[in-house]
Amino acid sequence: GIQVEQSPPDLILQEGANSTLRCNFSDSVNNLQWFHQNPWGQLINLFYIPSGTKQNGRLSATTVATERYSLLYISSSQTTDSGVYFCAVSYGKLTFGQGTILTVHP
Amino acid sequence: EAGVTQFPSHSVIEKGQTVTLRCDPISGHDNLYWYRRVMGKEIKFLLHFVKESKQDESGMPNNRFLAERTGGTYSTLKVQPAELEDSGVYFCASSPRQQETQYFGPGTRLLVL
Repeated sequence: GIQVEQSPPDLILQEGANSTLRCNFSDSVNNLQWFHQNPWGQLINLFYIPSGTKQNGRLSATTVATERYSLLYISSSQTTDSGVYFCAVSYGKLTFGQGTILTVHP
Repeated sequence: EAGVTQFPSHSVIEKGQTVTLRCDPISGHDNLYWYRRVMGKEIKFLLHFVKESKQDESGMPNNRFLAERTGGTYSTLKVQPAELEDSGVYFCASSPRQQETQYFGPGTRLLVL
């Protein structure tokens, strides 16, 4: 099956810093989603981005499907950005990466 | 528009008991998915319904798990009998069409003692 690798596994930032999270996948996909799992365990949709670039406030994402990777950018990070960020890809069912644990300190 | 809802939010049962989880997808979404995250592992696909039909159940771990979606609306996932390794968080997701955004519910946290 398709493999999804996220990096880094852990990231610690000071409030206000910028960060880039990466998602590599092993095969062609027609769906790629980024999620934020909040402290209550809920999976919040950030982006549906099988290709191209999207922006939503301080967050943006870019997927280069031909090179099988996606990047999630977080600018001017806030403590509320803390949590686990998942990338998931599919050609049908979603396959999740192991996540990046982000901790933002005030 | 209401999101995906799941019930119960938490369940604590003893090994050997039966538990039934429920998922109500977003209204009008034909596609319904079940996923789970067991302790320390990644989130894994269990199965996919299109309306009331099972499209893909390749992720179901064994025959102790039974999923249904009668009438193509809500879905139930029954675990009978539950084992310790079934503990984890069970997520449900729905989408209007297969290659569109999947919207996740808040999950059911299952603990088998």
